[in-house]
Amino acid sequence: AQSVTQPDIHITVSEGASLELRCNYSYGATPYLFWYVQSPGQGLQLLLKYFSGDTLVQGIKGFEAEFKRSQSSFNLRKPSVHWSDAAEYFCAVGAPSGGSNYKLTFGKGTLLTVNP
Amino acid sequence: EAQVTQNPRYLITVTGKKLTVTCSQNMNHEYMSWYRQDPGLGLRQIYYSMNVEVTDKGDVPEGYKVSRKEKRNFPLILESPSPNQTSLYFCASSLQVPYEQYFGPGTRLTVT
Repeated sequence: AQSVTQPDIHITVSEGASLELRCNYSYGATPYLFWYVQSPGQGLQLLLKYFSGDTLVQGIKGFEAEFKRSQSSFNLRKPSVHWSDAAEYFCAVGAPSGGSNYKLTFGKGTLLTVNP
Repeated sequence: EAQVTQNPRYLITVTGKKLTVTCSQNMNHEYMSWYRQDPGLGLRQIYYSMNVEVTDKGDVPEGYKVSRKEKRNFPLILESPSPNQTSLYFCASSLQVPYEQYFGPGTRLTVT
């Protein structure tokens, strides 16, 4: 079964600083990888995804992520954080899971606080 | 507008009183799923449906039922809610696996 680890529960950065959120996964093959963002009181919005090909993927809101097979990682980055980026970020792995199921397995999330 | 809608958004109920949370998508998606989100536990899958009339259990199905009679709707039924089902519930849909899932706005359920 697949699993996802987000080592940082809470990160605080200053507005304008760079950001990297870590994500490590466990799966026997190359999984489908996603980053979602959840603003307070909102649902989850897809930031970006990786299925295959170029290991550096671009997403919405200026985010990017890099898939590193050797490290089983899919870290999310942004060169300059804006106050509106304050939210909770979830990494997810999509893979077959028993019988006919296909599911997303989520990490426990990283809460991002942005200081002015 | 392409979206997943859930109703109600907030619900406070008492133990044992049957309730249904509706989920509807207007994107002609085949795959639909229900998750619950709890602090420190992240999102966990309750039930999923690969297509109409095909549903199956996820990781935490106890105490829940679902049905998928039409492609667009995937209601979540709690026949006898208990306090441990107090949670934030999300419905999601996907064109098909393994494409990305689109999430509804969530339903915050409190069972007293």
